[in-house]
Amino acid sequence: GESVGLHLPTLSVQEGDNSIINCAYSNSASDYFIWYKQESGKGPQFIIDIRSNMDKRQGQRVTVLLNKTVKHLSLQIAATQPGDSAVYFCAENIRDNNNDMRFGAGTRLTVKP
Amino acid sequence: GAVVSQHPSWVICKSGTSVKIECRSLDFQATTMFWYRQFPKQSLMLMATSNEGSKATYEQGVEKDKFLINHASLTLSTLTVTSAHPEDSSFYICSASGQVLNTEAFFGQGTRLTVV
Repeated sequence: GESVGLHLPTLSVQEGDNSIINCAYSNSASDYFIWYKQESGKGPQFIIDIRSNMDKRQGQRVTVLLNKTVKHLSLQIAATQPGDSAVYFCAENIRDNNNDMRFGAGTRLTVKP
Repeated sequence: GAVVSQHPSWVICKSGTSVKIECRSLDFQATTMFWYRQFPKQSLMLMATSNEGSKATYEQGVEKDKFLINHASLTLSTLTVTSAHPEDSSFYICSASGQVLNTEAFFGQGTRLTVV
């Protein structure tokens, strides 16, 4: 089965607030992680990635944190906007495999205006 | 990022027929392509990994004779759902990556298959 899972299936936030989406993984051999955004009826869209030699990486309005000790990932979205409403997945790549991403269960983020 | 195109974006077929879905990398050579299936309100589940010119590697529980994968060139992989049944109705998504490990794989827009 998949080794990546999420704590919260749904998250509702007010526009302008910060969002935090969490993800737990179980395979300590995983060394590359990606957060994806998926809108209804579309394929996953890359948001941000992080390698296991890092514990934090920032993008535009997004930050990914990696805690290898407890096998935990989080995605922080600053100043959440209605356009951020979607399902968010974390995915992991297992070392020595060929870029096959294993997906977690997903969290639906709803941004209320 | 690189562009991966899937065709068709949606298809309806009769039970018992076969359906072919194409996945193309438009601006890079995809040495490896991946096929996922996603049921409503669920995550993406990896079905198989295909490397150009070799047989696909299927995940446990995925029937290789039912889901035929061909990766004949560095820009095209196809998934054929044979003898489709209503329970095969799902969202099928491909992704493609180049030769560098631990880098982003690029996703297609998905194909909605409905078997009636």
